[in-house]
Amino acid sequence: EVQLVESGGGLVNPGRSLRLSCTASGFIFGDYAMTWFRQAPGKGLEWVGFIRTKAYGGTTEYAASVKGRFTISRDDSKSIAYLQMNSLKTEDTAIYYCTRAASAWTYWDYWGQGSLVTVSS
Amino acid sequence: QSALTQPRSVSGSPGQSVTISCTGTSSDVGTYNYVSWYQQHPGKAPKLIIYDVSERPSGVPDRFSVSKSGNTASLTISGLQAEDEAHYYCCSFAGGYTFVFGAGTKVTVL
Repeated sequence: EVQLVESGGGLVNPGRSLRLSCTASGFIFGDYAMTWFRQAPGKGLEWVGFIRTKAYGGTTEYAASVKGRFTISRDDSKSIAYLQMNSLKTEDTAIYYCTRAASAWTYWDYWGQGSLVTVSS
Repeated sequence: QSALTQPRSVSGSPGQSVTISCTGTSSDVGTYNYVSWYQQHPGKAPKLIIYDVSERPSGVPDRFSVSKSGNTASLTISGLQAEDEAHYYCCSFAGGYTFVFGAGTKVTVL
């Protein structure tokens, strides 16, 4: 059974950093691109960014709203994807979801339960 | 502000059909057949129900169907059931590895 479990969320002051982890199981992690989404309270979904597989260079793409502040990485030996969030702003407050990108990278077939990040002073 | 336009809410009685429209532009829905739909129950993670415009993952009932015309994709839920009450989000590839979402539609089963 495919499972994605996020961890690392919490309350953080504006300007500070936080790192989320996404621990995967039930599939060959290294064979899949991983994507992060977020959902602000009571709002819709926002694509945050994704990381390709090592076969495709392990390169990353980001939404304009987080580019330069957020970094996605992966450790295939541990089946973990990371979302490093720096210079956090109040508008980054959201539930962050880790997802598995399907083979075409244009949709996401498995989602984690989400991790709440609250940016507030 | 969301890039794709969805109605805020739709409702129907059990057994009826409801349709949710998702309108984009010629830069996303109108050009790419990479439209996906996600169902989200309160307090839960989104769940993929449609990909590549009209394909259903295994386990998703064929009561969920999609059509696309021009810049608009439409999700139809036939034979509405109580468990279909949820928020539904459409998403489209928009080129240059960017994706746009709708703001979501709340489906209420009367």
